[in-house]
Amino acid sequence: EAGVAQSPRYKIIEKRQSVAFWCNPISGHATLYWYQQILGQGPKLLIQFQNNGVVDDSQLPKDRFSAERLKGVDSTLKIQPAKLEDSAVYLCASRVNTGELFFGEGSRLTVL
Amino acid sequence: AQSVSQHNHHVILSEAASLELGCNYSYGGTVNLFWYVQYPGQHLQLLLKYFSGDPLVKGIKGFEAEFIKSKFSFNLRKPSVQWSDTAEYFCAVNTGGFKTIFGAGTRLFVKA
Repeated sequence: EAGVAQSPRYKIIEKRQSVAFWCNPISGHATLYWYQQILGQGPKLLIQFQNNGVVDDSQLPKDRFSAERLKGVDSTLKIQPAKLEDSAVYLCASRVNTGELFFGEGSRLTVL
Repeated sequence: AQSVSQHNHHVILSEAASLELGCNYSYGGTVNLFWYVQYPGQHLQLLLKYFSGDPLVKGIKGFEAEFIKSKFSFNLRKPSVQWSDTAEYFCAVNTGGFKTIFGAGTRLFVKA
């Protein structure tokens, strides 16, 4: 089966610019997550969706980050305006009922 | 708040040495426990998981982990490591619902 697809793989922007990341989960996976992984740290949950509804966005910096999953399938994560500390890999994952998460390759963001 | 602690950030072993990576979590209720691995240049993937039953679980590539409820621990072990085990290992905890929290990770380097 096809895995979790993410794009772009790499993005370099200057601070205060905006960026958007896209994720297409594995077909049939109702739960979708966005994680932020800063170098040297473990993945930190930003937001999780169940179908097209938000389950948990308590860790999402809502003044600059937004995410949507309009049709319950693919999702976009946007940062506007970006800060230097947003430099990280943004991971998308989807989940099956067994609890296992399937991750995409990640989108590496560098903010200059 | 729930948290996951991994004791070692970096581990260096020679081939055929035994491996044990520590993981402790803070949560008093029922948990589902996971170890994920990220090989160089690849995405995160599941190594093994514990939901219930036998506290000693076996995963892929000869890895196993033991859940000790009284110690809130889920340590990862392998009797004899290979060069190909060089990777970053993440312990993760699901406390019910859909939220999965990750530890900071342990980077393992196996010398050939």
